[in-house]
Amino acid sequence: DVKVTQSSRYLVKRTGEKVFLECVQDMDHENMFWYRQDPGLGLRLIYFSYDVKMKEKGDIPEGYSVSREKKERFSLILESASTNQTSMYLCASSISKGFLGTQYFGPGTRLLVL
Amino acid sequence: QQPVQSPQAVILREGEDAVINCSSSKALYSVHWYRQKHGEAPVFLMILLKGGEQKGHEKISASFNEKKQQSSLYLTASQLSYSGTYFCGTGANNLFFGTGTRLTVIP
Repeated sequence: DVKVTQSSRYLVKRTGEKVFLECVQDMDHENMFWYRQDPGLGLRLIYFSYDVKMKEKGDIPEGYSVSREKKERFSLILESASTNQTSMYLCASSISKGFLGTQYFGPGTRLLVL
Repeated sequence: QQPVQSPQAVILREGEDAVINCSSSKALYSVHWYRQKHGEAPVFLMILLKGGEQKGHEKISASFNEKKQQSSLYLTASQLSYSGTYFCGTGANNLFFGTGTRLTVIP
């Protein structure tokens, strides 16, 4: 079974802090994704990556950056956290390039920015 | 570019059927369907890659009408385990999800 893990289930940070959300997948998938999920807005794509050191902007990249130094790990970085970044963050991976394949989601990190 | 799902919520009794629709103002290149149970990660149900395609497993199936820019998810003889929020997603170089349909199956 594909396993996607995220470093924290719950996280509380203060405004202005730098926040790192880590995601690891164990299936040697090329593609990894970061989404945020908000009530009434569904899932929105922040960034994705097709390969190591490669990144592409999704629908809402502002205020975020990402890092992919190793194939299995994809990090989401909030350079200076703000209250409007309070959300559920979901990581996913996929073996298929692009958006034509199954995405396997991690359990999510619920981030609260005070 | 976010697809629109309808209905937003539906309550069913066990054994009843439901249809969830997903429509887009832009051309649909592929349609993904996921289900998310409360407090859990979304789980893949199926993907439809071309117009006219129909897919299904168990009692959950979907169709893709490319011309109408619409996909529908069909749940027949619903079970308690079908409860959750259903999302459709679509896009070519990006993936846009709908806001979800909350399905509740009651005994």
